[in-house]
Amino acid sequence: DTAVSQTPKYLVTQMGNDKSIKCEQNLGHDTMYWYKQDSKKFLKIMFSYNNKELIINETVPNRFSPKSPDKAHLNLHINSLELGDSAVYFCASSQGGTGTLSNQPQHFGDGTRLSIL
Amino acid sequence: GNSVTQMEGPVTLSEEAFLTINCTYTATGYPSLFWYVQYPGEGLQLLLKATKADDKGSNKGFEATYRKETTSFHLEKGSVQVSDSAVYFCALRDTGFQKLVFGTGTRLLVSP
Repeated sequence: DTAVSQTPKYLVTQMGNDKSIKCEQNLGHDTMYWYKQDSKKFLKIMFSYNNKELIINETVPNRFSPKSPDKAHLNLHINSLELGDSAVYFCASSQGGTGTLSNQPQHFGDGTRLSIL
Repeated sequence: GNSVTQMEGPVTLSEEAFLTINCTYTATGYPSLFWYVQYPGEGLQLLLKATKADDKGSNKGFEATYRKETTSFHLEKGSVQVSDSAVYFCALRDTGFQKLVFGTGTRLLVSP
């Protein structure tokens, strides 16, 4: 009964390829996120969706395209992979997010380690 | 903009030692504050949180108090265990935004 599940756990591929990472949450949350963790463990938000609508889009190359088919899923598609894309990508979810709901914690998946050869 | 500053690691302690990991923040509003823990090879888990000034979050023997006057949220534990070895992230979430802003993480290594 994993709350936030990501697949695959590991992804090794070559430069220039296109790949997708899937994320699903069974917590009934209405907001989902993608974070990138670099080799120094620094975590940074990439995208956030609320009820399938994009609400946060940080400065991320447009090779990265999130897609949310429904509230429980937020997938991340990456085109033309580059060496600098190597990182661990975390999906997260939470309920609400503004006003008093901003104190609701985010629940994280176990991460997808992406390695570009 | 909002930011979180944590002490650099690694922090190396012997079992049963007292732990403090410093965290200070900069925010325009009245953020909620969180500590997350990441065990090796795993995702982040919420450790504790505090939503307003003077609140104390606590869990698994860890504590942190929301200090508005010093804009700090230091993590403490009276007696660490080997199983506490992990990376600890301080984070804030402002009332006007949905994203978490993380500190750089502090690695804790506890030896027997």
